[in-house]
Amino acid sequence: ETGVTQSPTHLIKTRGQQVTLRCSSQSGHNTVSWYQQALGQGPQFIFQYYREEENGRGNFPPRFSGLQFPNYSSELNVNALELDDSALYLCASSLLGGQLYGYTFGSGTRLTVV
Amino acid sequence: DAKTTQPPSMDCAEGRAANLPCNHSTISGNEYVYWYRQIHSQGPQYIIHGLKNNETNEMASLIITEDRKSSTLILPHATLRDTAVYYCIVRAPERGGADGLTFGKGTHLIIQP
Repeated sequence: ETGVTQSPTHLIKTRGQQVTLRCSSQSGHNTVSWYQQALGQGPQFIFQYYREEENGRGNFPPRFSGLQFPNYSSELNVNALELDDSALYLCASSLLGGQLYGYTFGSGTRLTVV
Repeated sequence: DAKTTQPPSMDCAEGRAANLPCNHSTISGNEYVYWYRQIHSQGPQYIIHGLKNNETNEMASLIITEDRKSSTLILPHATLRDTAVYYCIVRAPERGGADGLTFGKGTHLIIQP
């Protein structure tokens, strides 16, 4: 198994721009979720996708959106970037929502908004 | 908000057992206890989970008190590579995980040589 891979590893964007982050799920996993981790904090749940539809969302505004593709890979899109969006963005894949075998996380994309 | 309380940091000598406590006094009957850890510059890593029985796998043991209000993660022979932030999370299995994981601030475990 190859695990979860995320790209790019680092990114710098200007306030007001849009960004797309990508994630390839672990083989055999059908659920993907995204988390935002600010410096010194634990990860915060953004949303989860199952069967290409969002089936759960945390306390994030609509300018955070996503996609899941038939091969279970995923994208996180953030519009109108704000300085506070600077964080580590983590993708996690799982089977059946992770309650039996846990989530497999990628190493994240470090986004800096200037 | 996280439903768990953990000490912010702990030290342990290399080769000794590391015992990480977690308080979850408001846990519901259908909620499991999960442990993840995050090594610097990596994503969180699943360790173990349990409902009410003690659990053991190749990484760790999980001891849950009879009233389920607290638990302890045990790393039997800590190594320097076990230095990480350890997160204790409670969650119910309904909705296929659609509520996500609620991470607190965790315990920063430092293994001393």
